[in-house]
This record gives sequence, C-alpha cells and structure tokens, in this order.
Amino acid sequence: DAKTTQPPSMDCAEGRAANLPCNHSTISGNEYVYWYRQIHSQGPQYIIHGLKNNETNEMASLIITEDRKSSTLILPHATLRDTAVYYCIALSSGYALNFGKGTSLLVTP
Amino acid sequence: DADVTQTPRNRITKTGKRIMLECSQTKGHDRMYWYRQDPGLGLRLIYYSFDVKDINKGEISDGYSVSRQAQAKFSLSLESAIPNQTALYFCATSDGGLTNEKLFFGSGTQLSVL
Repeated sequence: DAKTTQPPSMDCAEGRAANLPCNHSTISGNEYVYWYRQIHSQGPQYIIHGLKNNETNEMASLIITEDRKSSTLILPHATLRDTAVYYCIALSSGYALNFGKGTSLLVTP
Repeated sequence: DADVTQTPRNRITKTGKRIMLECSQTKGHDRMYWYRQDPGLGLRLIYYSFDVKDINKGEISDGYSVSRQAQAKFSLSLESAIPNQTALYFCATSDGGLTNEKLFFGSGTQLSVL
C-alpha cells in the first residue's frame, strides 16, 4: 500500500466546510483511496472511497487530483459531532486497511 | 444485539499471563481483523483473515497469535502478556474487498497488563 501523509490536526468553525488534505504521491494505479473517521474511543466509521473520480455521498465529498497524488475530503457543513480523527488510507488488492495516525479535526462553535 | 461482539470489554492481567480476546460476528462476513490503538500512535493492524483458512500478519504481529475458528469467530491471543501490550483492541469485519472495503468494528476491549 502507498504511504499517505496527513496533517496531525486541523480546526474548523461550525457550519463551515472542513477540507481535509491527504498526500499519497506513491499511489499505484489500482490503489483505492479510503476515508474513515473515529470519534473518541469508538471503532472507526467508513466515510467514502474512490479510485480516480470524485465521489460524493451523504456524509462527504472526495476530490482526487488528476494525477492521483493527493486527495481532499470535504465535509460541507461541519458540525460539532464531526470532531474526530480522520484517516486517509490507500488500499491495494489483497491487503488490509492500515489506518496510521490520521488528522484530528476539531470543530469549534 | 451488536453485529460484531468483543469479549471481554475490559481486562486487567499480569505480566506473563496468557490472554485471549474473542470476537464474534453475525454479519456473515468473510474478512476479519484485529487492530490495537495506543494514544498518539493511531490504529495499527495486528492480524487479518480473509476467510476461514487464511491468516495474515499485520504491521505489529510480534507477541500475538490468532485463531479463525469459524467464519464468525476470530480470536486474538497474547501468549505471555507484557505491559507495552496495554492498549485498546478492536475487532472488525468486512465483505467488500478492494472496491468496497467497509469495515464494521466491535466496541473494543481495553486491556491493561500490569
């Protein structure tokens, strides 16, 4: 699996968009980008994933650059309940998800 | 009832003791995983199994072993517990594979080794 790099922490004001970056410059053509989040000491929760096209679901949007070397997770209207650790993971076939340290997002009132 | 059940929820043990953490699932998933979480170190993969006959080491398998007794059960053992194995342990399941790897996690087991 390609290594991903995320900032250790970010802040966002409630109601604003939270844009969480992820660098995966060594990603290979068949590796998917997955995003999960973990709230306090609960098990991580799936958010979204993609290969090369941008993706959107009810939780978030995923923007992957054309060269696939980086991506951004967008929470369009952050709420206090979005405060969590967000993990960006590159997954290749036959392997399991390695979560790493992620980005700790703090949403403030 | 929870789809992924971990037992026990909390365990305190002494150095050198053998400990087994159990995970069972009712989701019918083939894939099962064990992770540990330490403050500041994120979530790290210990072992994983893609089906009953498959066992794979993760990034931190030393000091641990696993048993996949059935599709629904995946146990993690610490043969001789040591204090730096004090952590929060999570079991997870999935059936998605590369293109749809949505993991479902248990509530975690907090293990303390004294």
